[in-house]
Amino acid sequence: EAQVTQNPRYLITVTGKKLTVTCSQNMNHEYMSWYRQDPGLGLRQIYYSMNVEVTDKGDVPEGYKVSRKEKRNFPLILESPSPNQTSLYFCASSLLLRDTGELFFGEGSRLTVL
Amino acid sequence: GENVEQHPSTLSVQEGDSAVIKCTYSDSASNYFPWYKQELGKRPQLIIDIRSNVGEKKDQRIAVTLNKTAKHFSLHITETQPEDSAVYFCARSGGYNKLIFGAGTRLAVHP
Repeated sequence: EAQVTQNPRYLITVTGKKLTVTCSQNMNHEYMSWYRQDPGLGLRQIYYSMNVEVTDKGDVPEGYKVSRKEKRNFPLILESPSPNQTSLYFCASSLLLRDTGELFFGEGSRLTVL
Repeated sequence: GENVEQHPSTLSVQEGDSAVIKCTYSDSASNYFPWYKQELGKRPQLIIDIRSNVGEKKDQRIAVTLNKTAKHFSLHITETQPEDSAVYFCARSGGYNKLIFGAGTRLAVHP
């Protein structure tokens, strides 16, 4: 089954404790992206990757890191989480966005930073 | 600017009525306009999209219209059903690598 898988789905952590949210897709998609969803703000892009070893900042990259060492995986790293990073996070992938192309979203990861 | 303005933020209709959600943008270079539906606790999923060389597209009970001159596009749902209740996001292409989403509309369809 074609899918985007994120882990963990739910996480409560404390300020400053490094964490990683994993994302994996099995559709051989070149494009992958991370979004955060906050009430009244829609989906805002954090980072994206056009292919292996190619990553770039989205609209809200501060406090986050990513890597793309393999085509299927695109982990999101919070080196020192803060309460303002409490949010619902979605990983998404696409064959190649290029102004068109469906984004396939993971199930989401709800993160709470105390 | 970059944003997509989406209205209304909430919409309540009776089953069988129509629902319309409108989005406006300012970047005339945008040429792709998808709509995503997010059911409660679920992931967003693409329901319909339109490209700038087309003015209207229909898929059963849903349709999208695009007015490139006025820089707005709308989602129309006819004969609404309770399962249409969800949050709907419009988006526009923002260059080579991104989609810029609206803030979302929470649609409630009452039986």
